Amino acid sequence: DIVMTQTPLSLSVTPGQPASMSCKSSQSLLHRDGKTYLYWYLQKPGQSPQLLIYEVSSRFSGVPDRFIGSGSGTDFTLKISRVEAEDVGVYYCMQGTHLPTFGGGTKVEIK
Amino acid sequence: EVQLVESGGGLVQPGRSLRLSCAASGFTFDDYAMHWVRQAPGKGLEWVSRVSWNGVNTEYADSVKGRFTISRDNAKNSLYLQMNSLRADDTALYYCAKDRIYGGSHTISFDYWGHGTRVTVSS
Repeated sequence: DIVMTQTPLSLSVTPGQPASMSCKSSQSLLHRDGKTYLYWYLQKPGQSPQLLIYEVSSRFSGVPDRFIGSGSGTDFTLKISRVEAEDVGVYYCMQGTHLPTFGGGTKVEIK
Repeated sequence: EVQLVESGGGLVQPGRSLRLSCAASGFTFDDYAMHWVRQAPGKGLEWVSRVSWNGVNTEYADSVKGRFTISRDNAKNSLYLQMNSLRADDTALYYCAKDRIYGGSHTISFDYWGHGTRVTVSS
């Protein structure tokens, strides 16, 4: 199984300030079809996960442009350009290049 | 609006069985593969199983292979998970999730999730 490692475990951010989190995979996520199947999900408190980013950097329908995904190979980053109060929750990365596995999550809190 | 509503969870003794259901609406159900994903209390997410749009092809996580069976009834817009030989470490919130790709794909991703149904395995 591919192991997904997320850092940091938690972030405390002032509203309006940027935030950044990392996701590293134990193997390259570049598929033989040339695409990289790395996703970001946000699980808000008491809710089910919601898709934010697919295939490294594409925002899902309705996701604000302050969410920016980047990376390649084994190293990926999710940045929030200006954190808002509604962004609190746990962010999970997931790889779909092989049978899917999730990272352990990064918890974002507001200062 | 896509809606996925899970049911069938509950408290069950180790070694017993349980069948989960997921009622789907708001999209053309038989155009998409469907999945079960679980989350143990206070823990992260674990993909459990996938069924293709037509129910012919299935895949399972190693942790449930041979014990769980995924199926679907496209006439009823419903997804199922038959869970046998349940163990304490199967205790989790079980989510039904819609595949992101129309018609299915060689990869797995989810765009919509239900609210989950809780399964507790304990004597």
